[in-house]
Amino acid sequence: EPEVTQTPSHQVTQMGQEVILRCVPISNHLYFYWYRQILGQKVEFLVSFYNNEISEKSEIFDDQFSVERPDGSNFTLKIRSTKLEDSAMYFCASNAPLEYEQYFGPGTRLTVT
Amino acid sequence: TQLLEQSPQFLSIQEGENLTVYCNSSSVFSSLQWYRQEPGEGPVLLVTVVTGGEVKKLKRLTFQFGDARKDSSLHITAAQPGDTGLYLCAVMDSSYKLIFGSGTRLLVRP
Repeated sequence: EPEVTQTPSHQVTQMGQEVILRCVPISNHLYFYWYRQILGQKVEFLVSFYNNEISEKSEIFDDQFSVERPDGSNFTLKIRSTKLEDSAMYFCASNAPLEYEQYFGPGTRLTVT
Repeated sequence: TQLLEQSPQFLSIQEGENLTVYCNSSSVFSSLQWYRQEPGEGPVLLVTVVTGGEVKKLKRLTFQFGDARKDSSLHITAAQPGDTGLYLCAVMDSSYKLIFGSGTRLLVRP
């Protein structure tokens, strides 16, 4: 069964460093998302992406964040200068056109020290 | 922003018992999804309900969408330890992003 994959599973970085989180969405899906979940809190939306551009972004998704689909399969989230409060699980999700169901990857645990 | 309230927040039951968890809002939704999440993993989609009054069954899990499409319930029959996890409801807003509830954390004791 097709699934969303994410790498790395765990990333430890120092405050101020840049990180890139990678995702491979399900192959026939056209809508892509990043969500994050701080430990013990709700899953919250960061950004949606369609047709090679951002569709919507949340207040969390400030100038330090960017997304890219560099080729036909990968979807990346970059944090330019990480802060302690960026520590969280980051989930990539995708869905097919005209379908409600979003499928999530296993997540990347980002720890900023 | 729609607010989803899930209840109870925590539920600890004995294996073999039945349980129901709830997802409520004051807003009307075109669809609602239930996910299950285990620690350190991503949410796994269980079901999508679309029609008011709809009932869907997935083995021992029964999902219901309220007639007015403002609320939903998940009923588990004869719970097993493997059902342990965080059960999340989520709705898709007009821009196709998901809004999640806080979840019900279920523990099924052997």
